[in-house]
Amino acid sequence: EPEVTQTPSHQVTQMGQEVILRCVPISNHLYFYWYRQILGQKVEFLVSFYNNEISEKSEIFDDQFSVERPDGSNFTLKIRSTKLEDSAMYFCASSGLRGTEAFFGQGTRLTVV
Amino acid sequence: EDQVTQSPEALRLQEGESSSLNCSYTVSGLRGLFWYRQDPGKGPEFLFTLYSAGEEKEKERLKATLTKKESFLHITAPKPEDSATYLCAVQVRGDDKIIFGKGTRLHILP
Repeated sequence: EPEVTQTPSHQVTQMGQEVILRCVPISNHLYFYWYRQILGQKVEFLVSFYNNEISEKSEIFDDQFSVERPDGSNFTLKIRSTKLEDSAMYFCASSGLRGTEAFFGQGTRLTVV
Repeated sequence: EDQVTQSPEALRLQEGESSSLNCSYTVSGLRGLFWYRQDPGKGPEFLFTLYSAGEEKEKERLKATLTKKESFLHITAPKPEDSATYLCAVQVRGDDKIIFGKGTRLHILP
């Protein structure tokens, strides 16, 4: 069964460092997303990506965040200068069509120290 | 503001004791409502999509229903392996994002 895969599963980084979280969405999907979940809180939308550009972003997704689809299979989230409050689980998701269900990866736990 | 509210926050049931989880939503225009299951430390696992009032979907011991203001996830004769957090999410017409509720933590006692 097709699935969304994310790497790494856990990343520890120093405050101020850049991190790149990687995702391989389901191969025939067209919409790609990043969400995050701070421990004990709800899943929050960061950004959606369609047709090689950002289609929607939240207030959380400020200038320190960027996304890229460098090739036909990978989808990345870059955080330029990490802060302690960026510590969270980051989930990548993809969907085939607008308005249909999104399938989530298992997440990357980011710990900023 | 578009909102999703789930209740109860937590629910403990005996194995075999049926119950329902509630998701109420306030949105400008619903495109779709989704139910997910989330195990600790894992990503949300898709369960159901509902698009219009009156629609129902079933899978094993779970049934999801939708009205114009809320959705219910009915769990019939649950087993300990049904223990998880159940998330409700909505997509608003014109948006790509999905808005999640805080979830209901379900614990089934053997």
